[in-house]
Amino acid sequence: QKEVEQDPGPLSVPEGAIVSLNCTYSNSAFQYFMWYRQYSRKGPELLMYTYSSGNKEDGRFTAQVDKSSKYISLFIRDSQPSDSATYLCAMSAGNNRLAFGKGNQVVVIP
Amino acid sequence: DAGVIQSPRHEVTEMGQEVTLRCKPISGHNSLFWYRQTMMRGLELLIYFNNNVPIDDSGMPEDRFSAKMPNASFSTLKIQPSEPRDSAVYFCASSLGQFEPQHFGDGTRLSIL
Repeated sequence: QKEVEQDPGPLSVPEGAIVSLNCTYSNSAFQYFMWYRQYSRKGPELLMYTYSSGNKEDGRFTAQVDKSSKYISLFIRDSQPSDSATYLCAMSAGNNRLAFGKGNQVVVIP
Repeated sequence: DAGVIQSPRHEVTEMGQEVTLRCKPISGHNSLFWYRQTMMRGLELLIYFNNNVPIDDSGMPEDRFSAKMPNASFSTLKIQPSEPRDSAVYFCASSLGQFEPQHFGDGTRLSIL
């Protein structure tokens, strides 16, 4: 079993819809959870950074962490064409090693 | 505020040649990471440095790969000799420390023919 599972299937949504992404993980030592956004031919860009369980909101983005279920989510409200990118989840036990999901390609259709 | 700078952005070379990838981390960051990204395997950590010292190189695939960090503002990843299966996008990232998020450069797209 991989440490981090993220369904890589492309996701197409109409502009204005809510985008819902998620990852599951197996390592209970993970305490730091991140979402990165990666545009084509660019490096991953940190989007959200949370510690332990709970919710964090930043503008149209909400990150949720459920450590009891080993499940994290990212929600994008009022999606825009500029949100079209690949979204990668990442997590760490605080030891500098990040475990990444494979990424979800999101396409927001105008 | 300059981010992580990588060079070259693209490299195409023939099998057997030596390849050197370069990275300048964000000023003041004391941790530096080298990753490789492929469609099949996603992002994989190759090696990371703390205060210019290699800490974990367990992700380096073979002896053909080597990395150095001679000072706080520069690191290289070298492949010698290169093989077609080394074709990938190589990213460098840096962070302020152990519990801080990592910031990525825009990568080097490497093609070995």
